[in-house]
Amino acid sequence: AQTVTQSQPEMSVQEAETVTLSCTYDTSESDYYLFWYKQPPSRQMILVIRQEAYKQQNATENRFSVNFQKAAKSFSLKISDSQLGDAAMYFCAYHIYNFNKFYFGSGTKLNVKP
Amino acid sequence: EPEVTQTPSHQVTQMGQEVILRCVPISNHLYFYWYRQILGQKVEFLVSFYNNEISEKSEIFDDQFSVERPDGSNFTLKIRSTKLEDSAMYFCASCSGGAYTDTQYFGPGTRLTVL
Repeated sequence: AQTVTQSQPEMSVQEAETVTLSCTYDTSESDYYLFWYKQPPSRQMILVIRQEAYKQQNATENRFSVNFQKAAKSFSLKISDSQLGDAAMYFCAYHIYNFNKFYFGSGTKLNVKP
Repeated sequence: EPEVTQTPSHQVTQMGQEVILRCVPISNHLYFYWYRQILGQKVEFLVSFYNNEISEKSEIFDDQFSVERPDGSNFTLKIRSTKLEDSAMYFCASCSGGAYTDTQYFGPGTRLTVL
C-alpha cells in the first residue's frame, strides 16, 4: 500500500527561525516523485518544492529545502528564515512515475510567531 | 496569472440527491484531477483525466462518481446519490504536462455538505 505519513499535526516557529516538517512514505516502487504543497488559510494549494526519487541531490527553492533519504523513505521540508506568510497547512505528497495518481499526507499546520 | 476556478464555493444537499461540482481548469492545461479532503483529514486523490478519459482513479471513486469535460473548458465531478460521508472539500487541479513533470494548479475548493 502506498501511504504518506506526517507525524506532526501542528508546529510553531518564531519568525526568522528555521523549522523542519517531517514526512515518511511507504512504497515498493523505485521511480516516484515527492512534493510539498502549501495550503494557506485561503485554501488554494500551491506547490512548494518537488523532488525526483532518482536524484540524490536534495531539491532547494529559495528558503525551502528538503532532506530526502530514499533508503529511510523520509522526505522532510526545511523552511529557513521563516516569515509570517509561511503560516499554512503543509502537505507532503507522493506520485508514482507513469501513474497519474497522487497520495497525500494528513498535513502539518505551521504557525509562525512574530 | 491564470488560475483554476471552482463553483459553487459551498453546496448543501440532502442525502440521496445528485450534485455536480464544476471546475474551470487553466485554458492550455491537458491533465485534470479531483481530490477531496474530509475535515481534519488528508487530501485524497479521486481521479485523473486526460485526453477525454479517466487515466487513474482511486478506490473512493466508485460508480457513484463520474467526471466529464462537457465543453472543452469545464471539468465536472458528479456524485449521483450523495451520502453523509461525501461531506468534504472537493478540490480540482490541472497541469499542462504530466503532473510529475509539471506543476499542478489547484482550485479554491467546493465545500460539500450532505444533510
